[in-house]
Amino acid sequence: DAGITQSPRHKVTETGTPVTLRCHQTENHRYMYWYRQDPGHGLRLIHYSYGVKDTDKGEVSDGYSVSRSKTEDFLLTLESATSSQTSVYFCAISAGEGNSPLHFGNGTRLTVT
Amino acid sequence: SQQGEEDPQALSIQEGENATMNCSYKTSINNLQWYRQNSGRGLVHLILIRSNEREKHSGRLRVTLDTSKKSSSLLITASRAADTASYFCATANYGGATNKLIFGTGTLLAVQP
Repeated sequence: DAGITQSPRHKVTETGTPVTLRCHQTENHRYMYWYRQDPGHGLRLIHYSYGVKDTDKGEVSDGYSVSRSKTEDFLLTLESATSSQTSVYFCAISAGEGNSPLHFGNGTRLTVT
Repeated sequence: SQQGEEDPQALSIQEGENATMNCSYKTSINNLQWYRQNSGRGLVHLILIRSNEREKHSGRLRVTLDTSKKSSSLLITASRAADTASYFCATANYGGATNKLIFGTGTLLAVQP
């Protein structure tokens, strides 16, 4: 799995609580991404990072924030979880721009009750 | 919004048959990539085709790209039960940040032994 670890793998939380998901890579890749996967929607980009402390929004960024203080770690935070954020979250990494493929972690299944 | 739309949404074939999946997209692209996802796992990169290429092969995989029709196809020859998975196309858009991939909704392939 290209040296990508997501934690936790499963989480159940209540509406209104903060949640942080962690992605850790050992590949020293520059780019890191957070996607969510929902039935009928495929994968949608939440946020991505192109370097330490350099992040940008994806197509479904509302309600999410990210931080990258080290090359190897990319954190996704739900400040106040809602039921609509119940999903499977995937982290991905990429070595560079242009024609670089993404390598994915195995996902975090988040349930907001 | 989704850039790529795969067709069909689901496909069931017998082992040994060929499987063809199609992907249509909306805007000009730098490249198009195909990924595979086994149940409960992250996506795995299969093949990348650049916008100036028309066909590419990798083992039992054949990908075609028609930029005039904004479409691509993935052919898996001599399918095996182990090919059972979801397949996604993803596009890196021309003029945008080419390190951002937009995924389609996927084709679920079932290969019956």
